[in-house]
Amino acid sequence: GAVVSQHPSWVICKSGTSVKIECRSLDFQATTMFWYRQFPKQSLMLMATSNEGSKATYEQGVEKDKFLINHASLTLSTLTVTSAHPEDSSFYICSARDQAGNYGYTFGSGTRLTVV
Amino acid sequence: DAKTTQPPSMDCAEGRAANLPCNHSTISGNEYVYWYRQIHSQGPQYIIHGLKNNETNEMASLIITEDRKSSTLILPHATLRDTAVYYCIVRVGLNAGNMLTFGGGTRLMVKP
Repeated sequence: GAVVSQHPSWVICKSGTSVKIECRSLDFQATTMFWYRQFPKQSLMLMATSNEGSKATYEQGVEKDKFLINHASLTLSTLTVTSAHPEDSSFYICSARDQAGNYGYTFGSGTRLTVV
Repeated sequence: DAKTTQPPSMDCAEGRAANLPCNHSTISGNEYVYWYRQIHSQGPQYIIHGLKNNETNEMASLIITEDRKSSTLILPHATLRDTAVYYCIVRVGLNAGNMLTFGGGTRLMVKP
């Protein structure tokens, strides 16, 4: 079946630094990638949607200059949290789908970000 | 996408069937019922989906009422590893439309 690999699975960084999270589709071409954020005991909240080769579309309230998304290839999307602060500590999850939707929505395993 | 209502939490004894309900009274004719689950600190995992007929796969069964206003996900023999949050999502087919929208889900606790 379709697999999405997300790295790292956890990261601790100092306040003010930037962190990059990678999401790779291993056996299909991910024309669309979705990035979600999940705070403890809450549901997943969509942050942004990116189509390969295009600029990401951000949900209301998500700062595009803080959460940089790059989707330069059909198998790789990255989310960079810039100038991270403790309130950015969360569980970040990517999801990928191919153009035809043959693989549905496949999720990565998530990245636990802790900003200290 | 139609709104869904699920109980926030449920318990189930190990080895017994877990029946997770979902109400979706405003579902449209072209909308499917999807079930995903999220085990703690992992990404969501697809379980099953259906339009109007009951469906079964190696993970679960999905029973959809005739009026399609509600459905039940059945885990026939729950194990401790089935402890997770289960999300019922109603939307058009996954080959169209945009993101998946997650509600609160049901936190299923399987107990020994």
